[in-house]
Amino acid sequence: KAGVTQTPRYLIKTRGQQVTLSCSPISGHRSVSWYQQTPGQGLQFLFEYFSETQRNKGNFPGRFSGRQFSNSRSEMNVSTLELGDSALYLCASSSERGSYEQYFGPGTRLTVT
Amino acid sequence: AQTVTQSQPEMSVQEAETVTLSCTYDTSESDYYLFWYKQPPSRQMILVIRQEAYKQQNATENRFSVNFQKAAKSFSLKISDSQLGDAAMYFCAYRVFYGNKLVFGAGTILRVKS
Repeated sequence: KAGVTQTPRYLIKTRGQQVTLSCSPISGHRSVSWYQQTPGQGLQFLFEYFSETQRNKGNFPGRFSGRQFSNSRSEMNVSTLELGDSALYLCASSSERGSYEQYFGPGTRLTVT
Repeated sequence: AQTVTQSQPEMSVQEAETVTLSCTYDTSESDYYLFWYKQPPSRQMILVIRQEAYKQQNATENRFSVNFQKAAKSFSLKISDSQLGDAAMYFCAYRVFYGNKLVFGAGTILRVKS
Protein backbone atom coordinates (compact mmCIF):
# COMPACT_ATOMS: atom_id res chain seq x y z
CA LYS A 1 0.00 0.00 0.00
CA ALA A 2 1.18 3.50 -0.75
CA GLY A 3 1.86 5.62 2.29
CA VAL A 4 0.53 9.03 3.24
CA THR A 5 1.55 11.67 0.75
CA GLN A 6 1.75 15.41 1.29
CA THR A 7 2.18 18.17 -1.24
CA PRO A 8 4.03 20.36 -1.61
CA ARG A 9 7.05 19.27 0.42
CA TYR A 10 8.47 22.76 0.74
CA LEU A 11 6.82 26.15 0.54
CA ILE A 12 7.96 29.73 1.02
CA LYS A 13 5.33 32.39 1.53
CA THR A 14 5.23 36.02 2.57
CA ARG A 15 3.50 37.41 5.63
CA GLY A 16 -0.14 38.14 4.94
CA GLN A 17 -0.51 35.58 2.18
CA GLN A 18 -2.54 32.41 2.46
CA VAL A 19 -1.47 28.84 1.81
CA THR A 20 -3.11 25.49 1.12
CA LEU A 21 -1.47 22.18 1.97
CA SER A 22 -2.68 18.83 0.73
CA CYS A 23 -2.68 15.35 2.24
CA SER A 24 -3.65 12.04 0.63
CA PRO A 25 -4.20 9.28 3.20
CA ILE A 26 -3.45 5.61 2.90
CA SER A 27 -6.04 3.89 0.74
CA GLY A 28 -9.02 2.88 2.86
CA HIS A 29 -8.25 5.28 5.70
CA ARG A 30 -11.04 7.75 6.35
CA SER A 31 -9.50 9.74 9.18
CA VAL A 32 -6.94 12.48 8.53
CA SER A 33 -5.32 14.49 11.30
CA TRP A 34 -3.05 17.51 11.00
CA TYR A 35 -0.20 18.51 13.31
CA GLN A 36 2.10 21.50 13.48
CA GLN A 37 5.70 20.95 14.54
CA THR A 38 7.90 23.86 15.65
CA PRO A 39 11.10 23.96 17.71
CA GLY A 40 9.41 26.07 20.38
CA GLN A 41 6.00 24.44 20.73
CA GLY A 42 6.80 20.91 19.62
CA LEU A 43 4.09 18.81 18.01
CA GLN A 44 0.61 20.21 18.36
CA PHE A 45 -2.68 18.83 17.11
CA LEU A 46 -4.52 21.07 14.67
CA PHE A 47 -7.64 19.13 13.70
CA GLU A 48 -9.01 15.81 12.54
CA TYR A 49 -11.38 15.06 9.71
CA PHE A 50 -13.42 11.92 9.30
CA SER A 51 -15.86 11.30 6.46
CA GLU A 52 -15.69 14.95 5.37
CA THR A 53 -16.53 16.24 8.86
CA GLN A 54 -14.27 17.91 11.36
CA ARG A 55 -14.35 15.61 14.34
CA ASN A 56 -11.80 17.17 16.63
CA LYS A 57 -10.07 20.53 16.83
CA GLY A 58 -6.96 21.76 18.60
CA ASN A 59 -6.32 25.15 20.10
CA PHE A 60 -5.40 27.17 17.03
CA PRO A 61 -6.84 30.45 15.74
CA GLY A 62 -9.52 30.54 13.08
CA ARG A 63 -6.90 31.37 10.44
CA PHE A 64 -6.23 27.64 10.38
CA SER A 65 -8.93 25.67 8.64
CA GLY A 66 -9.29 22.44 6.79
CA ARG A 67 -11.56 20.26 4.80
CA GLN A 68 -11.84 16.71 3.61
CA PHE A 69 -13.12 15.46 0.30
CA SER A 70 -15.22 12.40 -0.48
CA ASN A 71 -12.07 10.45 -1.46
CA SER A 72 -10.66 11.20 2.04
CA ARG A 73 -8.00 13.56 0.72
CA SER A 74 -7.65 16.55 3.01
CA GLU A 75 -6.46 20.10 2.68
CA MET A 76 -5.53 22.60 5.31
CA ASN A 77 -5.52 26.31 4.74
CA VAL A 78 -3.77 29.05 6.65
CA SER A 79 -4.88 32.60 5.91
CA THR A 80 -3.08 35.84 6.70
CA LEU A 81 0.21 34.09 7.34
CA GLU A 82 2.37 35.19 10.25
CA LEU A 83 6.07 34.57 10.82
CA GLY A 84 5.15 32.22 13.65
CA ASP A 85 3.33 29.93 11.23
CA SER A 86 6.68 28.75 9.90
CA ALA A 87 6.68 25.07 10.78
CA LEU A 88 6.63 21.51 9.58
CA TYR A 89 3.01 20.50 8.97
CA LEU A 90 2.39 16.80 9.31
CA CYS A 91 -0.68 14.89 8.38
CA ALA A 92 -1.54 11.43 9.59
CA SER A 93 -4.15 8.95 8.48
CA SER A 94 -5.76 6.07 10.30
CA SER A 95 -8.47 3.51 9.87
CA GLU A 96 -11.25 3.13 12.37
CA ARG A 97 -10.41 -0.48 13.13
CA GLY A 98 -8.31 -1.91 15.89
CA SER A 99 -5.99 0.45 17.67
CA TYR A 100 -6.39 3.31 15.19
CA GLU A 101 -2.67 3.65 14.64
CA GLN A 102 -1.79 6.84 12.86
CA TYR A 103 0.58 6.79 9.93
CA PHE A 104 2.33 10.03 9.13
CA GLY A 105 3.23 11.65 5.85
CA PRO A 106 6.64 13.23 5.18
CA GLY A 107 5.38 16.70 6.04
CA THR A 108 5.27 20.09 4.36
CA ARG A 109 7.93 22.55 5.45
CA LEU A 110 6.37 26.03 5.39
CA THR A 111 8.60 29.08 5.70
CA VAL A 112 6.98 32.49 6.13
CA THR A 113 9.17 35.50 5.37
CA ALA B 1 -6.38 17.84 29.68
CA GLN B 2 -3.85 15.14 29.09
CA THR B 3 -0.15 15.95 29.23
CA VAL B 4 2.94 13.96 28.29
CA THR B 5 6.37 14.65 29.78
CA GLN B 6 9.72 13.47 28.50
CA SER B 7 12.31 14.61 31.01
CA GLN B 8 15.40 13.66 29.01
CA PRO B 9 16.06 16.17 26.21
CA GLU B 10 19.02 14.14 24.98
CA MET B 11 20.49 10.67 25.53
CA SER B 12 23.57 8.89 24.21
CA VAL B 13 24.24 5.19 23.88
CA GLN B 14 27.11 3.11 22.59
CA GLU B 15 26.37 0.89 19.62
CA ALA B 16 25.17 -2.58 20.76
CA GLU B 17 24.31 -1.28 24.23
CA THR B 18 20.88 -0.79 25.80
CA VAL B 19 19.20 2.53 26.49
CA THR B 20 15.95 3.49 28.19
CA LEU B 21 13.95 6.61 27.35
CA SER B 22 11.52 7.90 29.95
CA CYS B 23 7.98 9.17 29.58
CA THR B 24 5.30 10.08 32.08
CA TYR B 25 1.79 11.22 31.36
CA ASP B 26 -1.21 12.59 33.13
CA THR B 27 -4.80 11.58 32.44
CA SER B 28 -8.02 10.90 34.26
CA GLU B 29 -9.08 8.31 31.69
CA SER B 30 -8.83 4.59 32.39
CA ASP B 31 -8.66 3.43 28.78
CA TYR B 32 -6.20 4.92 26.33
CA TYR B 33 -3.29 4.15 24.06
CA LEU B 34 0.36 5.07 24.38
CA PHE B 35 2.84 5.21 21.53
CA TRP B 36 6.49 5.78 20.84
CA TYR B 37 7.30 7.44 17.53
CA LYS B 38 10.72 7.90 16.00
CA GLN B 39 11.60 10.91 13.86
CA PRO B 40 14.95 10.61 12.05
CA PRO B 41 16.59 13.60 10.33
CA SER B 42 14.36 12.98 7.31
CA ARG B 43 11.46 14.14 9.55
CA GLN B 44 9.32 11.13 8.67
CA MET B 45 7.47 10.06 11.82
CA ILE B 46 7.67 6.30 12.26
CA LEU B 47 5.60 4.31 14.72
CA VAL B 48 7.92 2.26 16.93
CA ILE B 49 5.59 0.59 19.40
CA ARG B 50 2.16 0.94 20.95
CA GLN B 51 0.60 -0.09 24.26
CA GLU B 52 -3.06 -0.45 25.13
CA ALA B 53 -3.70 0.72 28.67
CA TYR B 54 -6.08 -2.18 29.37
CA LYS B 55 -3.31 -4.69 28.68
CA GLN B 56 -1.01 -5.49 31.59
CA GLN B 57 1.57 -7.17 29.40
CA ASN B 58 4.31 -4.85 28.17
CA ALA B 59 4.51 -4.47 24.40
CA THR B 60 7.57 -5.71 22.52
CA GLU B 61 8.64 -5.20 18.92
CA ASN B 62 11.97 -6.86 18.13
CA ARG B 63 14.67 -4.78 19.90
CA PHE B 64 12.12 -2.33 21.28
CA SER B 65 10.15 -2.93 24.44
CA VAL B 66 8.23 -0.81 26.90
CA ASN B 67 7.85 -0.75 30.65
CA PHE B 68 4.26 0.35 31.22
CA GLN B 69 3.36 1.23 34.78
CA LYS B 70 -0.28 2.32 34.71
CA ALA B 71 -0.58 3.33 38.35
CA ALA B 72 2.55 5.44 38.13
CA LYS B 73 1.52 6.75 34.68
CA SER B 74 4.91 5.86 33.33
CA PHE B 75 5.74 4.50 29.88
CA SER B 76 9.45 4.02 29.17
CA LEU B 77 11.02 2.68 25.98
CA LYS B 78 13.95 0.28 26.08
CA ILE B 79 16.10 -0.15 22.99
CA SER B 80 18.34 -3.19 23.09
CA ASP B 81 21.41 -3.79 20.91
CA SER B 82 21.37 -0.17 19.75
CA GLN B 83 22.22 0.44 16.13
CA LEU B 84 23.42 3.56 14.31
CA GLY B 85 20.07 3.68 12.53
CA ASP B 86 18.31 4.15 15.87
CA ALA B 87 19.68 7.69 16.12
CA ALA B 88 16.66 9.99 15.96
CA MET B 89 14.25 12.08 17.97
CA TYR B 90 11.87 9.87 19.94
CA PHE B 91 8.41 11.08 20.89
CA CYS B 92 6.11 9.57 23.46
CA ALA B 93 2.43 10.11 22.62
CA TYR B 94 -0.91 9.58 24.30
CA ARG B 95 -4.26 8.99 22.66
CA VAL B 96 -7.68 8.57 24.19
CA PHE B 97 -9.31 5.22 23.54
CA TYR B 98 -11.74 6.54 20.95
CA GLY B 99 -10.44 9.35 18.82
CA ASN B 100 -7.44 10.32 16.83
CA LYS B 101 -5.91 13.24 18.69
CA LEU B 102 -2.34 12.49 19.74
CA VAL B 103 -0.75 14.43 22.59
CA PHE B 104 3.02 14.39 22.24
CA GLY B 105 5.86 14.87 24.66
CA ALA B 106 8.69 17.27 23.85
CA GLY B 107 10.89 14.49 22.52
CA THR B 108 14.25 12.94 23.37
CA ILE B 109 17.18 13.11 20.96
CA LEU B 110 18.96 9.78 20.91
CA ARG B 111 22.58 9.73 19.72
CA VAL B 112 24.26 6.41 18.98
CA LYS B 113 28.04 6.28 19.18
CA SER B 114 30.10 3.82 17.18
